[in-house]
Amino acid sequence: DAKTTQPTSMDCAEGRAANLPCNHSTISGNEYVYWYRQIHSQGPQYIIHGLKNNETNEMASLIITEDRKSSTLILPHATLRDTAVYYCIAEIPAGNMLTFGGGTRLMVKP
Amino acid sequence: EPEVTQTPSHQVTQMGQEVILRCVPISNHLYFYWYRQILGQKVEFLVSFYNNEISEKSEIFDDQFSVERPDGSNFTLKIRSTKLEDSAMYFCASMALAKNIQYFGAGTRLSVL
Repeated sequence: DAKTTQPTSMDCAEGRAANLPCNHSTISGNEYVYWYRQIHSQGPQYIIHGLKNNETNEMASLIITEDRKSSTLILPHATLRDTAVYYCIAEIPAGNMLTFGGGTRLMVKP
Repeated sequence: EPEVTQTPSHQVTQMGQEVILRCVPISNHLYFYWYRQILGQKVEFLVSFYNNEISEKSEIFDDQFSVERPDGSNFTLKIRSTKLEDSAMYFCASMALAKNIQYFGAGTRLSVL
């Protein structure tokens, strides 16, 4: 698995866009970038994933650089309920285990 | 929206006792996983299960642990003789063959006294 590095913590004002960066400079060609989040001690929640194209769904957008060495998760209008730990994971999507790092603790403030 | 269901939400047991944690994966999912998270630490992979057999396991998943899919809907994790250090949140996850997205349950908090 490619190692990913994320900032330990970030703050964001409610209603503003939250941009969470992730570095994965050793990612291999067949590894996807997955984003999950964990609110308190709940189970990790899937957000979005992508290979090389930018992706958008109802929760977030994923921007992957052209060289695939880094990506950014964007929550367009952060709410207090988006306060969570966000994990960026690089993995080959073939039933493999997910390797969680420390993630980024996002605090959305009023 | 279908979800992974785990029971019980909290299990308290005495050291040395056997516990069984239960999971009902999302219907038509074929890959199943157990992860655990000790309080304040990272989520750690334990085991993956596909086609009625273990496909991968971590160093944590020693002889004290076993998994089973006793029927078409349940997926269980058994710890034969619990230790204090087994206290953690245990998460079950499942994945459909072509979707490549693991969906997690809410977890079972295991407290070993």
